[in-house]
Amino acid sequence: DIQMTQSPASLSASLGETVTIECRASEDIYNGLAWYQQKPGKSPQLLIYNANSLHTGVPSRFSGSGSGTQYSLKINSLQSEDVASYFCQQYYDYPYTFGAGTKLELK
Amino acid sequence: EVQLQQSGAELVKPGASVKLSCKTSGYTFSNYYMSWLKQMPGQNIEWIGNIYGGNGGTGYNQKFKGKATLTVDKSSSTAYMDLSSLTSEDSAVYFCAMGSDWFAYWGQGTLVTVSS
Repeated sequence: DIQMTQSPASLSASLGETVTIECRASEDIYNGLAWYQQKPGKSPQLLIYNANSLHTGVPSRFSGSGSGTQYSLKINSLQSEDVASYFCQQYYDYPYTFGAGTKLELK
Repeated sequence: EVQLQQSGAELVKPGASVKLSCKTSGYTFSNYYMSWLKQMPGQNIEWIGNIYGGNGGTGYNQKFKGKATLTVDKSSSTAYMDLSSLTSEDSAVYFCAMGSDWFAYWGQGTLVTVSS
């Protein structure tokens, strides 16, 4: 199975700040990567697919980048509604696997 | 509007089985894959497997083979997951999610609690 190592596990940032979350795959996943946002008690919501494609309706302050084994999610100008957990998911190979998540809080 | 409506919370005894449902609307059920995923409290998301709405073809995470069985009912656009021989390790929230690679649409989740 492809292992997804996500960092940091938790992150505290101020409103308006730019934050970056990283995800490293145990092998090349050829941009087969998605990012999700999950708020407590809710189901995950798709943000990014194909490593850098913004899902419909997602604010443009979210962006994804990377290639090979290293990927990142950037949130520009952090808003209060961005407080959530974030997960990466690889779909290059079965079984699909997720990172352990990053919990984003306001400073 | 695509909607995935999952069945309600379940409290089941160890050793028992449970069948979860995911009723869909707003898209052509037979044209898409449905995945099932597991999330234990405060923990990672695990992909259990997927099923194609058109022919019921399935793919499973080896970890969940023998534990989960996926089926569909095309006539009602509903996907099902049977979980068998339940233990405390199966206590979790289970999600259905539409898509073959990334998941743009998710159900609200079903909490399964295994307890005597």
